[in-house]
Amino acid sequence: EDKVVQSPLSLVVHEGDTVTLNCSYEVTNFRSLLWYKQEKKAPTFLFMLTSSGIEKKSGRLSSILDKKELFSILNITATQTGDSAIYLCAGVNAGNMLTFGGGTRLMVKP
Amino acid sequence: DAGITQSPRYKITETGRQVTLMCHQTWSHSYMFWYRQDLGHGLRLIYYSAAADITDKGEVPDGYVVSRSKTENFPLTLESATRSQTSVYFCASSPLAGKTGARGTGELFFGEGSRLTVL
Repeated sequence: EDKVVQSPLSLVVHEGDTVTLNCSYEVTNFRSLLWYKQEKKAPTFLFMLTSSGIEKKSGRLSSILDKKELFSILNITATQTGDSAIYLCAGVNAGNMLTFGGGTRLMVKP
Repeated sequence: DAGITQSPRYKITETGRQVTLMCHQTWSHSYMFWYRQDLGHGLRLIYYSAAADITDKGEVPDGYVVSRSKTENFPLTLESATRSQTSVYFCASSPLAGKTGARGTGELFFGEGSRLTVL
């Protein structure tokens, strides 16, 4: 059974801080790892990672995958209150089925 | 461009009643999914469908029924609602061509969620 674990469960920081969110996975016939941001409504797509060591970047957010150690991290630099959300990662197997982690709840205080 | 829509957005019902949550997508995506989201459990897959008239169980299918008579619709029915089914339900779709050897990222497009409370 595929399994994805995220840490920490929750995190409170102040604006301007840098945060690192962790995602470890055990996915049979691993295909890719996805990161989503969930504010009040539906999750919205952030990144897809398929290759080890290649950083994906979008503004202040970046993510990298380590397929040897089976984990990914999501970094957010110079955090803003608008970054407050639940961050979800999901492992995708060869059947294109996703297994989600439990999420990390990030709160950024002014 | 409506994308994927769910209805109702909020529903309160009583134990034992039948409830149907609707999901409609305008992209003609092959795959559609129903997830429930609960504190401490993240998103858990209830049922999914690879195409019209093809459905399969996910991680937590008990107490739920789905159908997919048309590509664009994927209703989820709770035949006899229980309090443990109080949750936020998300429908999602994906433009996957198929299983093994398919192109596509596995990316899901989510509806806005349906919050169900069973009293």
